[in-house]
Amino acid sequence: DTAVSQTPKYLVTQMGNDKSIKCEQNLGHDTMYWYKQDSKKFLKIMFSYNNKELIINETVPNRFSPKSPDKAHLNLHINSLELGDSAVYFCASSQEGSGPVGAFFGQGTRLTVV
Amino acid sequence: SQQGEEDPQALSIQEGENATMNCSYKTSINNLQWYRQNSGRGLVHLILIRSNEREKHSGRLRVTLDTSKKSSSLLITASRAADTASYFCATPWGGGATNKLIFGTGTLLAVQP
Repeated sequence: DTAVSQTPKYLVTQMGNDKSIKCEQNLGHDTMYWYKQDSKKFLKIMFSYNNKELIINETVPNRFSPKSPDKAHLNLHINSLELGDSAVYFCASSQEGSGPVGAFFGQGTRLTVV
Repeated sequence: SQQGEEDPQALSIQEGENATMNCSYKTSINNLQWYRQNSGRGLVHLILIRSNEREKHSGRLRVTLDTSKKSSSLLITASRAADTASYFCATPWGGGATNKLIFGTGTLLAVQP
């Protein structure tokens, strides 16, 4: 069973469109994230949610809107897509518990805006 | 920028050789993590070392941490072709939980069979 799954894996769309990426984790973790990886492999956090509540919003254009219907899901909706949005988007989750632990990542969604 | 840096950017070795990657970071931390990313795949957590630890082992992996120099190294011993991947170090921003991991720039490791 996949721990963190995101769909779709590939997404090709035209500029100006609105699209969503879905993420689900079956690990029972309280915290979920969205990261963006650009063409140079640089990973940057976009959002962090803990128990459905937004914790971190990293200077992301408001065209990006995360939604967490429950703590197992964190979806990412993007309005008015731009060429510069092309990247690989990773969902991740973690559970701090009694101490720091590593994060579990999904396989990524490669978004190409044409 | 809070982003860490890794050195080298790319490393090519023969199977059986050891591979060493270095990571430098900028802020105080309470732990440092290493991740592997195979081409076209997500990141996989390899190992976490806490700020009060100097060295940690996991299988063929050995991680060191020098908080005075704000640096860490990842050693992969007896490398295999399957170790070919990008390796990233990551530190929690603000020194605390994993809520915001700051990733290094990554080292691309190629292990030639």
